[in-house]
Amino acid sequence: KAGVTQTPRYLIKTRGQQVTLSCSPISGHRSVSWYQQTPGQGLQFLFEYFSETQRNKGNFPGRFSGRQFSNSRSEMNVSTLELGDSALYLCASSLGGVSGYTFGSGTRLTVV
Amino acid sequence: DAKTTQPPSMDCAEGRAANLPCNHSTISGNEYVYWYRQIHSQGPQYIIHGLKNNETNEMASLIITEDRKSSTLILPHATLRDTAVYYCIVRDHNYGQNFVFGPGTRLSVLP
Repeated sequence: KAGVTQTPRYLIKTRGQQVTLSCSPISGHRSVSWYQQTPGQGLQFLFEYFSETQRNKGNFPGRFSGRQFSNSRSEMNVSTLELGDSALYLCASSLGGVSGYTFGSGTRLTVV
Repeated sequence: DAKTTQPPSMDCAEGRAANLPCNHSTISGNEYVYWYRQIHSQGPQYIIHGLKNNETNEMASLIITEDRKSSTLILPHATLRDTAVYYCIVRDHNYGQNFVFGPGTRLSVLP
């Protein structure tokens, strides 16, 4: 079966711009989570969506937002980009319960 | 903050078993132990999880101590492709907790 698909794989943006990243979960998975990974901070949780509702949110500023659609696909948006937002953004989907996450390959965002 | 403690790095000879320890002394009764690994610049890969019994799958074995305060991930015959950062995480799915990743253990499999 197809894995978690994230698009685009690479992105270069300028400070002050906004960006939207997309994630298509494994078919049947209703939970989608987003993580930011940087060399200094490691993997940090951004938010989780389940059935179009945000269920959990990490400690990130309001510039970071997300949503989930009825087909479970999810997007995250970062507005007013800062240099420090340069990171690998990872999406993961899950069936829920004790099931683990399946991660996508990520979107590498570079802010210049 | 992560509820687990892992050594920052370990080496293992190719073909030998790699035993990666994890301490989770504050684990609660409903929390499962999960292991993931991340090979450079890829998304983390699920390996195995367990509650209190030992578990085995095609990738690895998970040994959880009787008091559940620590666990060991065993890769029975490490290969060069097992070189990665290994993360041990505890999570209570009943409360919809997210996975909290610590710094993990960087395992280097040496030829």
